[in-house]
Amino acid sequence: DADVTQTPRNRITKTGKRIMLECSQTKGHDRMYWYRQDPGLGLRLIYYSFDVKDINKGEISDGYSVSRQAQAKFSLSLESAIPNQTALYFCATSDLVSTNSYNEQFFGPGTRLTVL
Amino acid sequence: RKEVEQDPGPFNVPEGATVAFNCTYSNSASQSFFWYRQDCRKEPKLLMSVYSSGNEDGRFTAQLNRASQYISLLIRDSKLSDSATYLCVVKTDSNYQLIWGAGTKLIIKP
Repeated sequence: DADVTQTPRNRITKTGKRIMLECSQTKGHDRMYWYRQDPGLGLRLIYYSFDVKDINKGEISDGYSVSRQAQAKFSLSLESAIPNQTALYFCATSDLVSTNSYNEQFFGPGTRLTVL
Repeated sequence: RKEVEQDPGPFNVPEGATVAFNCTYSNSASQSFFWYRQDCRKEPKLLMSVYSSGNEDGRFTAQLNRASQYISLLIRDSKLSDSATYLCVVKTDSNYQLIWGAGTKLIIKP
């Protein structure tokens, strides 16, 4: 079984609709992240969470919100979807790190979202 | 200017050849560097970290040039299975956030 799972894997929706993307992990990691990937651009960070009570905005948080329901679950919501939010969305996890070190990020399989 | 820049390719390379690609970064205070691999329509996976002294993992060699602010990835004896997009990733500060390049697409041909 995959360590990081995302649902749904594909979603087509209309402008103005509310959408929730869900992420679950069995790796026991404290840190979770939401990224979006667009053609010709690198992954861009939307939100990240260091633990259940710690949520932080990333580079492109406008138009998105998140909820960390438990250590293992991190959901991304688009309150009112718009076409330029069409992208591939990835959830990722990593283990706790000290300030000046880094641990590998493990990604879910991605959710392909299309907003018409 | 993008913070992390890569040649998007694609690099079309015959099987068995050696291929190298670079990635440049703009923030001289960048601390850590990585190469991730992303197969078509799949998630990124860590290929290797890049150390100041350079490092090698089998057929893969990564180098860091801080003075010129670039990192490189060399793949020797390329295999068909090396076909993928290679993402350059830079950690710029103690806030841990990663900056991702757009990736270089590599196609290995028989």
